[in-house]
Amino acid sequence: EDQVTQSPEALRLQEGESSSLNCSYTVSGLRGLFWYRQDPGKGPEFLFTLYSAGEEKEKERLKATLTKKESFLHITAPKPEDSATYLCAGPSETGNQFYFGTGTSLTVIP
Amino acid sequence: NAGVTQTPKFRVLKTGQSMTLLCAQDMNHEYMYWYRQDPGMGLRLIHYSVGEGTTAKGEVPDGYNVSRLKKQNFLLGLESAAPSQTSVYFCASRQGWNTEAFFGQGTRLTVV
Repeated sequence: EDQVTQSPEALRLQEGESSSLNCSYTVSGLRGLFWYRQDPGKGPEFLFTLYSAGEEKEKERLKATLTKKESFLHITAPKPEDSATYLCAGPSETGNQFYFGTGTSLTVIP
Repeated sequence: NAGVTQTPKFRVLKTGQSMTLLCAQDMNHEYMYWYRQDPGMGLRLIHYSVGEGTTAKGEVPDGYNVSRLKKQNFLLGLESAAPSQTSVYFCASRQGWNTEAFFGQGTRLTVV
């Protein structure tokens, strides 16, 4: 069964304290691994797409990486404005459905 | 460019009432999705469509129906609302099977 699993469920960091979020997937025939950011009361906002093992993408303090079995979202020297829920997602084997993990709620304390 | 627009943004229903949520996208995307988001449950797929005139069931389809008569619109219907359908509903669209999805701002539905 296609599945996307994220850990940890919640993460509290001091401002400037770097860390990583994990996304594991069991989708056969990966057709992209997607990272989103969701702020309270809003829809998810697209961050990155990774298509092959070894691929990396960066945006400001965020860097997403992909291995054959999992993806990491690295947050370097986070700021309070990075506080949000981070979601990863991937298409099903057919490509028609689009599954999400349950997300990691990140809080960055000043 | 509005992207994905959901109507309404908030709604309160009584048990047994019916309603339709509207999703409109102006990006000419083929794929459209309806999700519900509940605390601790993440985004769960209700129904989806891979093109005009097509619909299919997702993970949690019971109690919902959908229609996609026009490519740009995807409607989600609740025929007889139940308190268990209290949730935040999100619509999304994407162009192809390996492209990112774009989301609307959500509809917060409360069934009392």
